[in-house]
Amino acid sequence: GESVGLHLPTLSVQEGDNSIINCAYSNSASDYFIWYKQESGKGPQFIIDIRSNMDKRQGQRVTVLLNKTVKHLSLQIAATQPGDSAVYFCAELTGGYQKVTFGIGTKLQVIP
Amino acid sequence: DAGVIQSPRHEVTEMGQEVTLRCKPISGHDYLFWYRQTMMRGLELLIYFNNNVPIDDSGMPEDRFSAKMPNASFSTLKIQPSEPRDSAVYFCASSFGTVGNIQYFGAGTRLSVL
Repeated sequence: GESVGLHLPTLSVQEGDNSIINCAYSNSASDYFIWYKQESGKGPQFIIDIRSNMDKRQGQRVTVLLNKTVKHLSLQIAATQPGDSAVYFCAELTGGYQKVTFGIGTKLQVIP
Repeated sequence: DAGVIQSPRHEVTEMGQEVTLRCKPISGHDYLFWYRQTMMRGLELLIYFNNNVPIDDSGMPEDRFSAKMPNASFSTLKIQPSEPRDSAVYFCASSFGTVGNIQYFGAGTRLSVL
């Protein structure tokens, strides 16, 4: 029979609009966070990172926001492009960066 | 740099057979990671090495799984005997310096156990 799998949250965004992908992490002791992008048929690729002593970090067209109070991380993509279509994962690191845990991912679909 | 190289890209085998997945990390990287990705459980860390030494294998599902890193440029993940529930995409990644540094992933091996 058909296996039951994870139902990835899906975000559909019009090309040119901004995208916001959210992640709730589990461990309040996590001290480092990374966003990865995974395109179909490929391995995850680093996008941006942030340490727990920061609230915000900006890259090229991407911004990561960290709210430690509610254990929430977000990735903002400005002017979303078709090439941004992928699954986005947040990863949290604990124990002096010795333990890495990935979230389930969010699928971003860009509508041309 | 060619990046992390995994082989084979696809593997189809029958239940009970031995499967060996291979990985060549990026030259100079001292950390190597093996992950498994499935629809059921997402991306899971199986084991990682530092300077060829296994550091944390708590993610290895059971004794049927084993991983080795005989030198800095090669690692294997072996499943013996394989079972249909082992069907997944297996990724190898490498990084330099610490676990928290950027991990560079290979393209993965898609394993199907019939």
